[in-house]
Amino acid sequence: DQQVKQNSPSLSVQEGRISILNCDYTNSMFDYFLWYKKYPAEGPTFLISISSIKDKNEDGRFTVFLNKSAKHLSLHIVPSQPGDSAVYFCAASEGIQGAQKLVFGQGTRLTINP
Amino acid sequence: SAVISQKPSRDICQRGTSLTIQCQVDSQVTMMFWYRQQPGQSLTLIATANQGSEATYESGFVIDKFPISRPNLTFSTLTVSNMSPEDSSIYLCSVLGPVSYNEQFFGPGTRLTVL
Repeated sequence: DQQVKQNSPSLSVQEGRISILNCDYTNSMFDYFLWYKKYPAEGPTFLISISSIKDKNEDGRFTVFLNKSAKHLSLHIVPSQPGDSAVYFCAASEGIQGAQKLVFGQGTRLTINP
Repeated sequence: SAVISQKPSRDICQRGTSLTIQCQVDSQVTMMFWYRQQPGQSLTLIATANQGSEATYESGFVIDKFPISRPNLTFSTLTVSNMSPEDSSIYLCSVLGPVSYNEQFFGPGTRLTVL
């Protein structure tokens, strides 16, 4: 039972364009969501988060959108840069625990083409 | 943020043996976590390790197979016992905070191959 799903295993985007990574969840108790980036042979690196009281959070080139009614979130990267090529994981947690007990999606491999 | 190191970074082990993975953090943290990432899969939480108490295991993971120690606020170990090829995975430790409970910081992972 996959509670957090990233249905696109890979995405290829041209440098300078917008990258949009999608994530769906099934557990309505999830109320805190995070995006992580992972390079090969490294651990995941935290990118950005959003709580369920918001529908948008922005940090530089990264924006996360949350649609609670659709149980869907997305990460927008604009403009995309070659260094953004990595595997991106969305993760979710429930309750007032913040980032405790994260449930991860399967990841999307983003490739930025020059 | 917290800086986390893991030892070993990778290992190749024989079926039936055990391997202990170490996780060291550069600051005192309350909560540490151990995850497994099987090939092509997402990260799955194995257990939460709190100092001074027994680890709390997630469904599908048991202490006899994955014993965990947490002797102080900067260190933890995970042992993978009686290994089989199905245990071949990347094992990662992570910590909550230390400043905010809204982020988990991950170590670089230990790539385990069981023959």
